[in-house]
Amino acid sequence: LAKTTQPISMDSYEGQEVNITCSHNNIATNDYITWYQQFPSQGPRFIIQGYKTKVTNEVASLFIPADRKSSTLSLPRVSLSDTAVYYCLGYNQGGKLIFGQGTELSVKP
Amino acid sequence: EAGVVQSPRYKIIEKKQPVAFWCNPISGHNTLYWYLQNLGQGPELLIRYENEEAVDDSQLPKDRFSAERLKGVDSTLKIQPAELGDSAVYLCASSGDGYNEQFFGPGTRLTVL
Repeated sequence: LAKTTQPISMDSYEGQEVNITCSHNNIATNDYITWYQQFPSQGPRFIIQGYKTKVTNEVASLFIPADRKSSTLSLPRVSLSDTAVYYCLGYNQGGKLIFGQGTELSVKP
Repeated sequence: EAGVVQSPRYKIIEKKQPVAFWCNPISGHNTLYWYLQNLGQGPELLIRYENEEAVDDSQLPKDRFSAERLKGVDSTLKIQPAELGDSAVYLCASSGDGYNEQFFGPGTRLTVL
């Protein structure tokens, strides 16, 4: 599975759009890009998953360029409750998730 | 629908003592995972079960850690004896077939004194 690299921390303000970019230069052909969110004292929670181009759900959008060497998680109009750690992972049919250090997002009023 | 249930939520023990964690996955989920999460780090997979079979235990320290999933439903992770470095959060997750997302429990925070 691909090793992923993402910023350790980011700050934002309520109402702003937040984009977290993840690098995965060695992503395998059969890997999906998956993002999880983790609040303190809770287990990670699935946010979104995609293979290429753009995926959107009620929580976020995921942009994956054609070369798939990076991806960007976009959180529209963040609120204080979006303060959490966000993990970018490569995921394949083997079911093995390899978490990195994640990006600690802090949303301020 | 109930999520992944773990117990206890917190455990404090002396080093060299045994400890066990219990996990009940989401009903119908055949795949069960145990992860270890150290402070400030992402979770690391310890073991993965497909039904009652451990299909990936390559990261499980088998000298002191053991796990079982009898009947392919709930699971127990045991440490014997515990060491100071085992202090961490132990997370259980479950998933359905194929590319389905993993659903995590709240974890058990272990403190070894």
